[in-house]
This record gives sequence, C-alpha cells and structure tokens, in this order.
Amino acid sequence: SQQGEEDPQALSIQEGENATMNCSYKTSINNLQWYRQNSGRGLVHLILIRSNEREKHSGRLRVTLDTSKKSSSLLITASRAADTASYFCATLKAAGNKLTFGGGTRVLVKP
Amino acid sequence: DTEVTQTPKHLVMGMTNKKSLKCEQHMGHRAMYWYKQKAKKPPELMFVYSYEKLSINESVPSRFSPECPNSSLLNLHLHALQPEDSALYLCASSQEGHGEKLFFGSGTQLSVL
Repeated sequence: SQQGEEDPQALSIQEGENATMNCSYKTSINNLQWYRQNSGRGLVHLILIRSNEREKHSGRLRVTLDTSKKSSSLLITASRAADTASYFCATLKAAGNKLTFGGGTRVLVKP
Repeated sequence: DTEVTQTPKHLVMGMTNKKSLKCEQHMGHRAMYWYKQKAKKPPELMFVYSYEKLSINESVPSRFSPECPNSSLLNLHLHALQPEDSALYLCASSQEGHGEKLFFGSGTQLSVL
C-alpha cells in the first residue's frame, strides 16, 4: 500500500490564487519530498524537508511538516498557468532507503 | 549537466519482441533507478542500482531485466511483455542512494500490442 496519501486528488483554481495540497503518511519518516510532473513527462524535485524540520520555503512554494500528525502540506502562492501539473509527495521511511510516492494531486490553474 | 537522458521517448512493441530502454546521466551519481508509471497513478519503484550493483528488486517479473554497464548507464531489457506492461518507464538517479532527491529523465512511453 502507498505510504503517502494526497488530498485533494484534483484541484482547479484561477491564476493568482493560492493552491494547497496535503500529504498524509503512516510510518515514521526520515524525510519527505515533493515533486511536480507535467503530463507525460518526468518528475521534477521541488523541496525536501527532513523529519526534524517544520517548514521550508523555495520561491513561491511553502512546505510544512507535522510529524505528530504524520502529514505535510505544499502551498503554491500566486499560482500561474505554468503551475498546472500533478504534484506528488514521496516519503523516505525512517529505517529505509527508498522513496515511496503518494497518489498525487492534479492541479489545474486557469488563466 | 543535470540531466538524465532516456531513449527512446516512445516505443511500440509486440509481445514476442525484445527491446531495450536506455538511461544515461553524467552527474556522477552512484544510484540509478527504474520506475513504472501507469496513467494517473504514482511512479512505482522497480529496481535500484547502487554503485553499479543491484540493491533493490521490487519483485519485478523476469520479463524485465535491468543492467548497469557502468556508473553512468542503466538499461532495461524487455522480452515477452504483456499488454498490461504498457506504461511510462522512468529512469532516475541520485547522489548516493540514501533517500536524497531524485533526478528523473523524461521517460519512455511504452505500448505493448
């Protein structure tokens, strides 16, 4: 079964709005990563947050991690049409060495 | 050079064919991966090579055969595939294979007829 489950499965917003998506996981993790995938293409790494970190920023992206709730969120501020993509969280288990991807959130940003 | 290059981009093959997917990186990464992704699903790990040795095989059927000729190259040999094997096959690499960030290629879209 998947380690990470994402919510919502799909999100449609207007350009300029913020987009928030969530990732929940089941077991203790070493780190959690977010990736973006444009249709039919490879994944692009966005942010890695370690289990001892609570928040990280990268440009218009903000990621939070709550290990007590086993959840993470990705916020995209001031969205653009080019942000249209699928976003996946991936977790590295505390005792593991492989990433497991969540189901993904499909984001549509309408111009 | 921060690219992972995959060839071919598209492949159509019959169930009796033998074909190979190729992946190359020149970032000095010591871990390389094959993932399989069905439409609207997350990538699923197939194989991991670490320092040119197979370190993870996720119980993949033997009709898929990975090969790592050197630290920059990764192949996936395909033989006697089934239509349900049609998917996007993604190659990725990382620095050491210890759960750090992955660099993905653009994938090979495979159709098995």
